Amino acid sequence: EAQVTQNPRYLITVTGKKLTVTCSQNMNHEYMSWYRQDPGLGLRQIYYSMNVEVTDKGDVPEGYKVSRKEKRNFPLILESPSPNQTSLYFCASSQFGGADEQFFGPGTRLTVL
Amino acid sequence: AQSVTQLGSHVSVSEGALVLLRCNYSSSVPPYLFWYVQYPNQGLQLLLKYTTGATLVKGINGFEAEFKKSETSFHLTKPSAHMSDAAEYFCAVRTDYKLSFGAGTTVTVRA
Repeated sequence: EAQVTQNPRYLITVTGKKLTVTCSQNMNHEYMSWYRQDPGLGLRQIYYSMNVEVTDKGDVPEGYKVSRKEKRNFPLILESPSPNQTSLYFCASSQFGGADEQFFGPGTRLTVL
Repeated sequence: AQSVTQLGSHVSVSEGALVLLRCNYSSSVPPYLFWYVQYPNQGLQLLLKYTTGATLVKGINGFEAEFKKSETSFHLTKPSAHMSDAAEYFCAVRTDYKLSFGAGTTVTVRA
């Protein structure tokens, strides 16, 4: 089954404790992206990757890191999480950019205390 | 730069009534436009998209949207609401690799 998977689905952590949210897709897509969803703000793009080893900032990259060492994986790293990073995070992938449909993962609900 | 404005954060309709969700965008280059739906505790699912060509786009579940360049709008409609349409709807604009979403509109359907 074609899908985007994220782990963990739920995470409660404390300020300053480094964490990684994994994202994997099995569709051989070139493009992957991370978003955060907050009430009243919709989804905002954090980082995206056009291909292996090629990443760029979205609209809200501060406090996040990403890497794309393999085509299928695109982990999101919070080196020193803060409470304002409490949010619902989605990973997505598409064949390329432009008009291609993005397929979304199920989401990761992160709470930073 | 690009941005999306969805008019109305909540819309309530009666079952069988017209659903109209408004979306306006700004973009410095011709954009690709999308509508996504999010059911409770789920990810986003594509309803429909506009790329080029025909300005009236038909999607899944009976939804359609019309691209009006002069009004920079991409409003979503469904002639007859069903209880299963209760969800949050997001309009999005994409240029090359960046995708920008509106704040979302929550639709409730009254029996």
